[in-house]
Amino acid sequence: GENVEQHPSTLSVQEGDSAVIKCTYSDSASNYFPWYKQELGKRPQLIIDIRSNVGEKKDQRIAVTLNKTAKHFSLHITETQPEDSAVYFCAASFPGGGADGLTFGKGTHLIIQP
Amino acid sequence: GAVVSQHPSWVICKSGTSVKIECRSLDFQATTMFWYRQFPKQSLMLMATSNEGSKATYEQGVEKDKFLINHASLTLSTLTVTSAHPEDSSFYICSARRAQGISNQPQHFGDGTRLSIL
Repeated sequence: GENVEQHPSTLSVQEGDSAVIKCTYSDSASNYFPWYKQELGKRPQLIIDIRSNVGEKKDQRIAVTLNKTAKHFSLHITETQPEDSAVYFCAASFPGGGADGLTFGKGTHLIIQP
Repeated sequence: GAVVSQHPSWVICKSGTSVKIECRSLDFQATTMFWYRQFPKQSLMLMATSNEGSKATYEQGVEKDKFLINHASLTLSTLTVTSAHPEDSSFYICSARRAQGISNQPQHFGDGTRLSIL
């Protein structure tokens, strides 16, 4: 099955600086890579996603890059704000017949220091 | 659009009882729904994939007789934890996706159910 590694587990940055979270995946058949933000006790919220036919995608302060050859993808948050503090999860999905749910990374606790 | 409602949000019950959790897509038809479990300060682990009108596909290590899944309509999937024990205490979250068999489409999550077994 798919295995997703995520680093770092905790990331502390000064407000206004950029934050980068990296993930690697094992199954070359994976074709969909979403990023979720989860605040304590709440649902994961999709913040950006990328498909395997695209190398980069940007949405305001958030961007995701994908390197299919190296099987890794990264989340970039620029001009960080206190409300960006949360746990971020990367995930990967691959076509699996009737079972194609997401395999999540272990998460990154992002702390924005004022 | 793409709102997923999950009920109940919090359950406390005695060991040995069964608990049913509902997951509804409110403004779209979800041909595929997923059930995840999340332990404190850990990641989400996929338990099973549920396609409307067919049997659920369970991940390795998940007991299908203990975690009964029913996806009877395009807007409702239920997870029943049978004969629950303290080790089943966890945060259970469902997600829904519009298209069946198309893995590169977004999943939309419910608010989760916090299950505590005494």
